[in-house]
Amino acid sequence: AQKITQTQPGMFVQEKEAVTLDCTYDTSDQSYGLFWYKQPSSGEMIFLIYQGSYDEQNATEGRYSLNFQKARKSANLVISASQLGDSAMYFCAMRVHYSGGGADGLTFGKGTHLIIQP
Amino acid sequence: DSGVTQTPKHLITATGQRVTLRCSPRSGDLSVYWYQQSLDQGLQFLIHYYNGEERAKGNILERFSAQQFPDLHSELNLSSLELGDSALYFCASSVSSDSVQETQYFGPGTRLLVL
Repeated sequence: AQKITQTQPGMFVQEKEAVTLDCTYDTSDQSYGLFWYKQPSSGEMIFLIYQGSYDEQNATEGRYSLNFQKARKSANLVISASQLGDSAMYFCAMRVHYSGGGADGLTFGKGTHLIIQP
Repeated sequence: DSGVTQTPKHLITATGQRVTLRCSPRSGDLSVYWYQQSLDQGLQFLIHYYNGEERAKGNILERFSAQQFPDLHSELNLSSLELGDSALYFCASSVSSDSVQETQYFGPGTRLLVL
């Protein structure tokens, strides 16, 4: 069974600094997708960035980038130049194929609560 | 705004009751997924429907059921409710079914409180 581990329950970061949120994953599948979502205090889940297991380049989306190290099974999210509005819960998630050949639902980590301080 | 809509936003009910949560996917999306977010269990995948057919099941209780209608909206039915069913229930949608690369877009959620 697949598993996502986020080891940082909470982080405090100064505004304008870069921040790295850790994510390690465990799966025996060769083909999988890795996703990061942001959940502000209002509760909605906002998609941030995606990385495919066969992608050779690290994904980037604006201020978000993904430090993908396949051999270490890690997919850390990097937020550059953090802003007060970045304060939120951040979830790492993975999707793999199930034995019947279709794709399973997302498996989520427990999340990291990021607080940006002025 | 993800384009996924969920109703109602909030629901308060009593133990033993039955409720129905509704979800409309983004225009053009054929897949609907249901997730439960609770303090105890975190975010858990419940069930996936694609174009009206069940495709995958996660940690969905037998007291819970879902369906997807011809117009692609989906309903999640929760029955014999217990205090522990109190949670935020998300619906998500995506274009297709079996690609691990495809992004799922989440609705705003329905917050259920069982008293």
